[in-house]
Amino acid sequence: AQRVTQPEKLLSVFKGAPVELKCNYSYSGSPELFWYVQYSRQRLQLLLRHISRESIKGFTADLNKGETSFHLKKPFAQEEDSAMYYCALSGWAAGNKLTFGGGTRVLVKP
Amino acid sequence: DAMVIQNPRYQVTQFGKPVTLSCSQTLNHNVMYWYQQKSSQAPKLLFHYYDKDFNNEADTPDNFQSRRPNTSFCFLDIRSPGLGDAAMYLCATSTVQGADTEAFFGQGTRLTVV
Repeated sequence: AQRVTQPEKLLSVFKGAPVELKCNYSYSGSPELFWYVQYSRQRLQLLLRHISRESIKGFTADLNKGETSFHLKKPFAQEEDSAMYYCALSGWAAGNKLTFGGGTRVLVKP
Repeated sequence: DAMVIQNPRYQVTQFGKPVTLSCSQTLNHNVMYWYQQKSSQAPKLLFHYYDKDFNNEADTPDNFQSRRPNTSFCFLDIRSPGLGDAAMYLCATSTVQGADTEAFFGQGTRLTVV
């Protein structure tokens, strides 16, 4: 069964400090991994996906198959980054359903 | 230009009274999902449709049903809502073409059971 684990419920950092959100997964096969973000009073939306290897809003995430991790990083956090972040996994072996981790709330203090 | 629309945004129902939540999409995506999200928790998948194929999660209560009459619409029926069913219900869509399976979410329907 596929599973996504986000060990931190809350990350509180100061503006300008680096932030790293941890995500580990278990999956049989080649997963597709995503980070979704939910800003206050907004819908859940895609932040980035591993396959595109892009940086969005200064965030990057690297898939490490050896460690089965997909940690999200940003070198300099901004106040507007305060939100709920969900790591998610999908893939053919799992019937293409999207499974979410428990979420990490990021609070960026001024 | 919302692409996944959920109605209503807020729904209050009585304990045990059937309620239906609706979702529509303008993306022509072949996959539609229903998630339940309780306060401070991750979205929990209830079921999803791959075109007309219905896929129920093993731990989704029988109280929850779904219908997808066509590509654009999907409904969540709760036959006998209990207090524990109060939650945000999220609809999402995706297309399965190669590796592009980004899910697009609606704003959600917040269900209150009184």
